Amino acid sequence: DSGVTQTPKHLITATGQRVTLRCSPRSGDLSVYWYQQSLDQGLQFLIQYYNGEERAKGNILERFSAQQFPDLHSELNLSSLELGDSALYFCASSVGRGRGETQYFGPGTRLLVL
Amino acid sequence: GQQVMQIPQYQHVQEGEDFTTYCNSSTTLSNIQWYKQRPGGHPVFLIQLVKSGEVKKQKRLTFQFGEAKKNSSLHITATQTTDVGTYFCAGGTNRDDKIIFGKGTRLHILP
Repeated sequence: DSGVTQTPKHLITATGQRVTLRCSPRSGDLSVYWYQQSLDQGLQFLIQYYNGEERAKGNILERFSAQQFPDLHSELNLSSLELGDSALYFCASSVGRGRGETQYFGPGTRLLVL
Repeated sequence: GQQVMQIPQYQHVQEGEDFTTYCNSSTTLSNIQWYKQRPGGHPVFLIQLVKSGEVKKQKRLTFQFGEAKKNSSLHITATQTTDVGTYFCAGGTNRDDKIIFGKGTRLHILP
């Protein structure tokens, strides 16, 4: 158990819909990262937040957005969903700003878009 | 942009054989991390290397960071069924705080 929690565990929805994934970092960690993992693409970094502010951006689509709240939990919003958005979405956290830090991954949310 | 390539993509070995996965970056890295993801699980941090030419060992696992800090390897001696999973390398640069994951090497052990 990494101490990072993610909800929900599984999500099934239809194309065109919008969903919100939630992540609570380990106690004391200030950075939250979001990753998308699909079968053929490995782990794709989406975005990082540090202490409430966006810190780094990866291959995040414009249909996706995220935020980190004052209590440090984070939400990833996926809208206008497409079949290709079906994937495992991981959240990870680290102590500080991220450079050279260990990332602790949550169990993931498996999203299926039908 | 920065890329981290990992080879091989898949590896099947007999139990007891050795296994090596290689990671190559298009740019000089400030550090490299290795993670393991068991089937159905989430990535778990194994180790971080920061110095040029660094070698670290964890029991049967040996990690190396190249002299030029552009490549790394993970070697497992005498594989066991518990080694099954996907091994990811992830490289960071001094330019920003992003780390880029390789696509991973999926290790399958034949009994």
